Amino acid sequence: EAGVAQSPRYKIIEKRQSVAFWCNPISGHATLYWYQQILGQGPKLLIQFQNNGVVDDSQLPKDRFSAERLKGVDSTLKIQPAKLEDSAVYLCASSFYTDTQYFGPGTRLTVL
Amino acid sequence: GESVGLHLPTLSVQEGDNSIINCAYSNSASDYFIWYKQESGKGPQFIIDIRSNMDKRQGQRVTVLLNKTVKHLSLQIAATQPGDSAVYFCAEKSLNFNKFYFGSGTKLNVKP
Repeated sequence: EAGVAQSPRYKIIEKRQSVAFWCNPISGHATLYWYQQILGQGPKLLIQFQNNGVVDDSQLPKDRFSAERLKGVDSTLKIQPAKLEDSAVYLCASSFYTDTQYFGPGTRLTVL
Repeated sequence: GESVGLHLPTLSVQEGDNSIINCAYSNSASDYFIWYKQESGKGPQFIIDIRSNMDKRQGQRVTVLLNKTVKHLSLQIAATQPGDSAVYFCAEKSLNFNKFYFGSGTKLNVKP
């Protein structure tokens, strides 16, 4: 069974630039999550989708972050404009509904 | 540049010894708990889970213990191997909020 796929794996940008991350969840998983993981910390939930609807985006900095899952499968997370403090690993995870989450390898973002 | 996160607690064990990693949780309404292993450059990997109606669950070389009275979770790894070296996170979820909260993690170093 294929796992959660993410791309790119690494991205380096300058502050105030834009960046987008892509996630393809495990086939059949209704719920998709985006997490931000700052070095030395546990993952922090940014947004949770169930199919193509947003369940929780309470910790998403909506002035600069956006995410969509238009067809209820793939998802993109965008940052515009990026700040230095956005440097982190962005993890995508999926689950059948709200049970065990399976994580992708993450995208390591460095903002200079 | 990257943000500096919290300093991770570190547990160093000798290869072949047993390891015990602890986690305290704060929400008495949490009813589902997962332990994840995260190797460098990878996303968190599911190890074992436990529901609040249990106090112990065993997997292959791993055991999770749940003490609801003191809100404490532990992961025991038997006969620790070099491949067990990683950061271990506990995550909790409650029916009320239906999302996972991750602890800050413990780094396990296995000495050959």
